[in-house]
Amino acid sequence: RKEVEQDPGPFNVPEGATVAFNCTYSNSASQSFFWYRQDCRKEPKLLMSVYSSGNEDGRFTAQLNRASQYISLLIRDSKLSDSATYLCVVNMIYFEGGGSNYKLTFGKGTLLTVNP
Amino acid sequence: NAGVTQTPKFRILKIGQSMTLQCTQDMNHNYMYWYRQDPGMGLKLIYYSVGAGITDKGEVPNGYNVSRSTTEDFPLRLELAAPSQTSVYFCASSYRRDRFYEQYFGPGTRLTVT
Repeated sequence: RKEVEQDPGPFNVPEGATVAFNCTYSNSASQSFFWYRQDCRKEPKLLMSVYSSGNEDGRFTAQLNRASQYISLLIRDSKLSDSATYLCVVNMIYFEGGGSNYKLTFGKGTLLTVNP
Repeated sequence: NAGVTQTPKFRILKIGQSMTLQCTQDMNHNYMYWYRQDPGMGLKLIYYSVGAGITDKGEVPNGYNVSRSTTEDFPLRLELAAPSQTSVYFCASSYRRDRFYEQYFGPGTRLTVT
């Protein structure tokens, strides 16, 4: 099982649609979870962190299911400007040299195109 | 603040040539990272640094070297370029590295090796 696996996409939706992205992770020791957004030929930028109880930021809702090792991102009332690649990112703790450290693992991303 | 800056934006190298990708951040972040992103693939960590003078290997370090002489700069060196190193390279930095740390990325360097 891949460390972080996302819907392969691409998704093409009309403006105003609701779209959901799914992501699974393999390491049960994963500590925290994020969605990053990457515009075409640009750098990734943090969209939102994902909290255990689920969280919402305007039109965006993130959910976490630790038992199923599953994360989701829902975009409501999609806009043209939402067109981008959405990266699922998992933060894992690992132990080395007597101490602990954190490592971000990025999914391959799912491309979303919102059409007028 | 300029954030994380990278130079050059684009570069074409011949096989066997060498080059240094520059990365600078002005946010006084301790942690810095180099990633590569191949088409349709997730970002892979090449090297990272937890502070000036300290560097460590990531998942795909072969063919690369780094140094961190100052907090601000984290250059990535390719000694003998190979076609497999054709990729987009992103430098990133973070203030801390705990459960909810955010990484800030530079605009990337698109490298082609022919």
